[in-house]
Amino acid sequence: GQQLNQSPQSMFIQEGEDVSMNCTSSSIFNTWLWYKQDPGEGPVLLIALYKAGELTSNGRLTAQFGITRKDSFLNISASIPSDVGIYFCAGQFGDRLAFGKGNQVVVIP
Amino acid sequence: DTAVSQTPKYLVTQMGNDKSIKCEQNLGHDTMYWYKQDSKKFLKIMFSYNNKELIINETVPNRFSPKSPDKAHLNLHINSLELGDSAVYFCASSQSRTGGSYEQYFGPGTRLTVT
Repeated sequence: GQQLNQSPQSMFIQEGEDVSMNCTSSSIFNTWLWYKQDPGEGPVLLIALYKAGELTSNGRLTAQFGITRKDSFLNISASIPSDVGIYFCAGQFGDRLAFGKGNQVVVIP
Repeated sequence: DTAVSQTPKYLVTQMGNDKSIKCEQNLGHDTMYWYKQDSKKFLKIMFSYNNKELIINETVPNRFSPKSPDKAHLNLHINSLELGDSAVYFCASSQSRTGGSYEQYFGPGTRLTVT
């Protein structure tokens, strides 16, 4: 199946810092999605990307669809305590999504 | 105004029992999914239904049987539960599986513990 590599797997950041995370694959995807999962909850869709090179923002979040269609990144600016959680990337191929293994973000006040 | 809902939230049961998890979406979506999230938080697709038709059936033991009475509901029945079935099960839905939006919206999850 399709494999997505997310890096880093976990990160500890100071409140107010910016954080960046990557998702790469050896396969081409038509859509990239970024989700956030809070403890005990389901993943929540943050940003959806549909075109290679597309750069999209949602509040303090910015994500880009890589030009090769094999990668995407997510930036969080000026982190706050509620940004803590697991961030998943997902790539669409055929009629399904492949998910990365997640990136655990911890924000230190 | 919950978009995707699941019941129950928690399910604790003994090995060998049969149990069901229910899912409902009020988004008017055509496609629904079941995922399993293991202890390492990896999300793995199990099944997908489009307008009550099974379209994805991953390598899942046949003790797991999905049923979709209508396009707003997708239930998961598990027979002869095993310890390894312990996980969080998520239901999700999307507007369309072809040529449209692949944005999937997830339910809150059902934490299944088999003892």
